[in-house]
Amino acid sequence: DQQVKQNSPSLSVQEGRISILNCDYTNSMFDYFLWYKKYPAEGPTFLISISSIKDKNEDGRFTVFLNKSAKHLSLHIVPSQPGDSAVYFCAAFSRDDKIIFGKGTRLHILP
Amino acid sequence: DAMVIQNPRYQVTQFGKPVTLSCSQTLNHNVMYWYQQKSSQAPKLLFHYYDKDFNNEADTPDNFQSRRPNTSFCFLDIRSPGLGDAAMYLCATSRDRGDYSYEQYFGPGTRLTVT
Repeated sequence: DQQVKQNSPSLSVQEGRISILNCDYTNSMFDYFLWYKKYPAEGPTFLISISSIKDKNEDGRFTVFLNKSAKHLSLHIVPSQPGDSAVYFCAAFSRDDKIIFGKGTRLHILP
Repeated sequence: DAMVIQNPRYQVTQFGKPVTLSCSQTLNHNVMYWYQQKSSQAPKLLFHYYDKDFNNEADTPDNFQSRRPNTSFCFLDIRSPGLGDAAMYLCATSRDRGDYSYEQYFGPGTRLTVT
């Protein structure tokens, strides 16, 4: 039973356009969410996070939106750059100390 | 540079032969985590240490053990590896948990092959 779902295994976006990566969750105990980026042969690196008390967090080109009623979050990257090509993982933390990752979405930025 | 180091990067072991994976950190973080990630799957948390307090996930097999002799080092022991244990093993650290500092710093991982 996947508590954190990233339903798109891969996504291709033109350079300069907006990339939108989606993540859905089922556990209402989750109260903190993070996005990680992973290049081949490297460990995931932290990108951006959001607490459940907020609905938006922005850091440069990266914005995370949280819709608690829909149990949905999304990561927006604008404008997309070639170096953004990577696998993006959504992760959720719950009040009872559970940490659950999604399977990841592979983002390809096309020239 | 402060970092999380995992050795070795690639480990081959035989079916049933005990193996130990190591992780060290120069970040002086309180919390250390071990994850297992199989191909095209989500990283799955096996254990974490909050300082010396060991927390085992309920569905982590007994075949997996962990040791944290000091703040900097953490080891993952697989007592009798099976073919199903072949995976990438990721070590991560975080500064703390109580203040919502959930940002985790990951090592590059150790890819374990079981023959």
